[in-house]
Amino acid sequence: EADIYQTPRYLVIGTGKKITLECSQTMGHDKMYWYQQDPGMELHLIHYSYGVNSTEKGDLSSESTVSRIRTEHFPLTLESARPSHTSQYLCASSASGRGYEQYFGPGTRLTVT
Amino acid sequence: AQSVTQLGSHVSVSEGALVLLRCNYSSSVPPYLFWYVQYPNQGLQLLLKYTSAATLVKGINGFEAEFKKSETSFHLTKPSAHMSDAAEYFCAVIHTGGFKTIFGAGTRLFVKA
Repeated sequence: EADIYQTPRYLVIGTGKKITLECSQTMGHDKMYWYQQDPGMELHLIHYSYGVNSTEKGDLSSESTVSRIRTEHFPLTLESARPSHTSQYLCASSASGRGYEQYFGPGTRLTVT
Repeated sequence: AQSVTQLGSHVSVSEGALVLLRCNYSSSVPPYLFWYVQYPNQGLQLLLKYTSAATLVKGINGFEAEFKKSETSFHLTKPSAHMSDAAEYFCAVIHTGGFKTIFGAGTRLFVKA
């Protein structure tokens, strides 16, 4: 079944730790996105990718980095987690030429203590 | 520049009553418009989309939305609310040829028995 997966779903980690949030999709979509979501706020785009080896920063200033070595995989890494990174992170994908709709993973809720 | 405004961060209706969630957008070029729904602890799921084919768009779970260019609106309606409709709803816009989808801040729908 075609889908988009995120792991872990929940993560509690101490300040200063390095973490990687995983995102994979099995739909063959060329575009992938990372959003940060806080309660009562619009989704903020933090990174996106048009395809393999193509990554760009979004609007929201972020200390995270991403990579796109394979079409299906788009991990997000925080080198040194801080309490300000506490948030929900959503991964999404879309296919060029198919109407712009995005398909979202279930999210990772990150808490940095 | 594009923007999306969702009127009302919270809407409460009784089961069986009409659901109306408001969305106004701004876009200098013809837009694609979307409504997404987010259930607790899940990612966003596409409800419906407007792509200029028809002004009244029908989506899943009995929802529909009408594109009104003169009012720059794309309000979401459902004739009869069900308890399972309780969720957060996001309106979103992207213009033709664009790469970035703009999301509203969301409206949380409560359904009372």
